[in-house]
Amino acid sequence: QSVLTQPPSASGTPGQRVTISCSGSSSNIGSNSVNWYQRLPGMAPQVLIYGNDQRPSGVPARFSGSKSGTSASLAISGLQSEDEADYYCAAWDDSLNGEVFGGGTQLTVL
Amino acid sequence: EVQLLESGGGLVQPGGSLRLSCTGSGFTFGNYAMTWVRQAPGKGLEWVSGATATGTNTYYGDSVKGRFTISRDNSKNTVYLQMNSLRAEDTAIYFCARETMMYDFWSAYKDYWGQGTRVTVSS
Repeated sequence: QSVLTQPPSASGTPGQRVTISCSGSSSNIGSNSVNWYQRLPGMAPQVLIYGNDQRPSGVPARFSGSKSGTSASLAISGLQSEDEADYYCAAWDDSLNGEVFGGGTQLTVL
Repeated sequence: EVQLLESGGGLVQPGGSLRLSCTGSGFTFGNYAMTWVRQAPGKGLEWVSGATATGTNTYYGDSVKGRFTISRDNSKNTVYLQMNSLRAEDTAIYFCARETMMYDFWSAYKDYWGQGTRVTVSS
């Protein structure tokens, strides 16, 4: 049972817009910034979004993040086949004094 | 080019110990906090432990607290994870990652990851 709650799966067709949610609490998302990581099959994870809504250089503008209260979302527009991966949200938890990850969302491009 | 290389994984019996190493190159190692994250088979990512840039402050996930110890030797550009009293549920790929801050994990993110080292705890 992960501290941050994500849907286990999501899907879309090429070109569509998909949103992945991440629900937490006042001690994590409500207090600290949210980061999103992508893990492609067989690869190490990589950051997609940091600080709730910032994209590192090299990450396509199709990826965007937002946060409101104790929830956050990752949106992927113009879905592409290479976006098939697992996506994780993460945030520091002040009560646990450690970082917490969501359970991950497996994205399928139909 | 920033690189992180983990080593030390392998097969160990329940109750045993293992020490993982992660050596960084291509950056000033002592200027960054470092983290260990693991992924068990069929499961998601789990944060294990973190150490600030000087190693003065360390943090642990509840599932490993009291059994794992993170340390670092900045003269060797290496962070370690000493794992004791290993359990079957510690079986996972262990990744080390560089944080973007020296001390503030709460406002940092992981900008570089190693490829991981596999740990299997089984009799």
